[in-house]
Amino acid sequence: GAVVSQHPSRVICKSGTSVKIECRSLDFQATTMFWYRQFPKQSLMLMATSNEGSKATYEQGVEKDKFLINHASLTLSTLTVTSAHPEDSSFYICSAGSRLAGNVFEQFFGPGTRLTVL
Amino acid sequence: QKEVEQDPGPLSVPEGAIVSLNCTYSNSAFQYFMWYRQYSRKGPELLMYTYSSGNKEDGRFTAQVDKSSKYISLFIRDSQPSDSATYLCACYNFNKFYFGSGTKLNVKP
Repeated sequence: GAVVSQHPSRVICKSGTSVKIECRSLDFQATTMFWYRQFPKQSLMLMATSNEGSKATYEQGVEKDKFLINHASLTLSTLTVTSAHPEDSSFYICSAGSRLAGNVFEQFFGPGTRLTVL
Repeated sequence: QKEVEQDPGPLSVPEGAIVSLNCTYSNSAFQYFMWYRQYSRKGPELLMYTYSSGNKEDGRFTAQVDKSSKYISLFIRDSQPSDSATYLCACYNFNKFYFGSGTKLNVKP
């Protein structure tokens, strides 16, 4: 399968600071990338879908001004958590989409970024 | 009601056992159904996907979908300690995935 990297893997920051997470598809061009957050023992919650060269589509309840997503190239998408607060502490996972067949995507997930806001 | 429900476990079985993992879903419009495996501190990886009802087999893994009862299953035969992970089911429709909460599986040697 395709390889997706995420950087950093772990970040600890003070409340009020901004944190940028990078998601790269290393061996294929991803026109669509997905950003999720995952709380312990809970399912992946889709935050937004980003398409290269256009604005991200955010899920209901996700603040677009707080979670800035940029998908400037076919291999890179970034998520910036602005003015992070302790309640933003979570595991953030990106995935790069590749069409399997018809209208279905196969998702290649990154290894995730553990964000801890003090 | 959540779109996809999954028993979080944990499920502990001896090596060699047959494992049955299950999910239910609420939206009858779902057409594609996936199973992902997630090791600790890693991103999920796709194991199998099926379209509509029926069975699909890949080695020791069999995915089963019953759309009439909105029930999806993953069977693992001859389970190995390396199968120990969290298994997530997912349903897909209109470019959007809905994940279950994951079932943690522990296969004891």
